[in-house]
Amino acid sequence: DAGVTQSPTHLIKTRGQQVTLRCSPKSGHDTVSWYQQALGQGPQFIFQYYEEEERQRGNFPDRFSGHQFPNYSSELNVNALLLGDSALYLCASSIKYATNEKLFFGSGTQLSVL
Amino acid sequence: AQSVTQLDSHVSVSEGTPVLLRCNYSSSYSPSLFWYVQHPNKGLQLLLKYTSAATLVKGINGFEAEFKKSETSFHLTKPSAHMSDAAEYFCVVSDTGGFKTIFGAGTRLFVKA
Repeated sequence: DAGVTQSPTHLIKTRGQQVTLRCSPKSGHDTVSWYQQALGQGPQFIFQYYEEEERQRGNFPDRFSGHQFPNYSSELNVNALLLGDSALYLCASSIKYATNEKLFFGSGTQLSVL
Repeated sequence: AQSVTQLDSHVSVSEGTPVLLRCNYSSSYSPSLFWYVQHPNKGLQLLLKYTSAATLVKGINGFEAEFKKSETSFHLTKPSAHMSDAAEYFCVVSDTGGFKTIFGAGTRLFVKA
């Protein structure tokens, strides 16, 4: 049983470009959350998708957008990249409203913006 | 509003000695609290979770945490550190339903031989 998978593992972009990161949740999970982890810091919540809709959002600008597909996989899009967007982007999946809900994390996508 | 504060950015212990990683939280309602561990180049792994069933929560790898409402604390402990415990540890608070999860800044645990 595959856990949470993210692609690509590493990515290098330049300022102003756009990037798309992908996440496949753990089998049986219906909810995907995205986090940004800057070097030396804890993950910061970006947003969460459930039933193909954004359900909750952290303090991130509109340059950060996402999508969830009918198979529960998800994409994170970042437009007009800034140097400060360089970070590890983590995807986590879970089962919404499960009695023992917990997050399963992927290994992340390391994004470098030059 | 919710928040979580990890009181130590770095903790260093000798192998075989106890571990204490401190966490205080703030929440306007009964929160769910977690501890996650992150090893280098690996994803975050759940150590344990508190959801009001019992104040002392036992997790994997010998870790446990005690929820103290009066002190708004959720400290992580382990009786005897092992070299493999060296990693980054995150205290996390989540609202009911898991819509929003807030991570602490992390505590780096060093284990000396």
